[in-house]
Amino acid sequence: GAVVSQHPSWVICKSGTSVKIECRSLDFQATTMFWYRQFPKQSLMLMATSNEGSKATYEQGVEKDKFLINHASLTLSTLTVTSAHPEDSSFYICSAYRQGRNQPQHFGDGTRLSIL
Amino acid sequence: AQSVTQLDSQVPVFEEAPVELRCNYSSSVSVYLFWYVQYPNQGLQLLLKYLSGSTLVKGINGFEAEFNKSQTSFHLRKPSVHISDTAEYFCAVSVIQGAQKLVFGQGTRLTINP
Repeated sequence: GAVVSQHPSWVICKSGTSVKIECRSLDFQATTMFWYRQFPKQSLMLMATSNEGSKATYEQGVEKDKFLINHASLTLSTLTVTSAHPEDSSFYICSAYRQGRNQPQHFGDGTRLSIL
Repeated sequence: AQSVTQLDSQVPVFEEAPVELRCNYSSSVSVYLFWYVQYPNQGLQLLLKYLSGSTLVKGINGFEAEFNKSQTSFHLRKPSVHISDTAEYFCAVSVIQGAQKLVFGQGTRLTINP
């Protein structure tokens, strides 16, 4: 089946640091990538929708300047958490989607971000 | 707007027993329906999906779900569970016309006891 690789899987860093998370679709070209945030024991909340070559569309309440999304190619999207603080600690998950009949989203394994 | 309600936050069952995880949704437009499974510290894996056609959908790992339009439900079932089925299960919907954004339920923690 389709494979989405997310890197890194776990990152611990100091407050004020910027952290970049990569999401790659390994065996298909993703027209759209989604970024989600998941708090412990809670569901996934969509942060933004990213289309290749265009600006990301952010959900209400998500700070664009805090969570920078770049979708430079059909196989790579990045999420940069700028000047991260402890409240940004969370599990971040990406998914990739290929437009077409009956195509589901394929999820990466997530990134556990811990800000000290 | 769409919403998804998973009626049980936790479901404990014994190994080899049957299980049903309940999901109800609300939408003013037609939707696709999905069940995903999440193992600890991992992303989501698609179990099954309903797009159209037969209301009984069979997925991976022996799971199946039935779409009931009149009750706006999409309950997940397995006739005999295994220890390895212990995980978090998410029901989700997306509108048929649109950007394929998924709206997730709150999740159901399935715990299989020996």
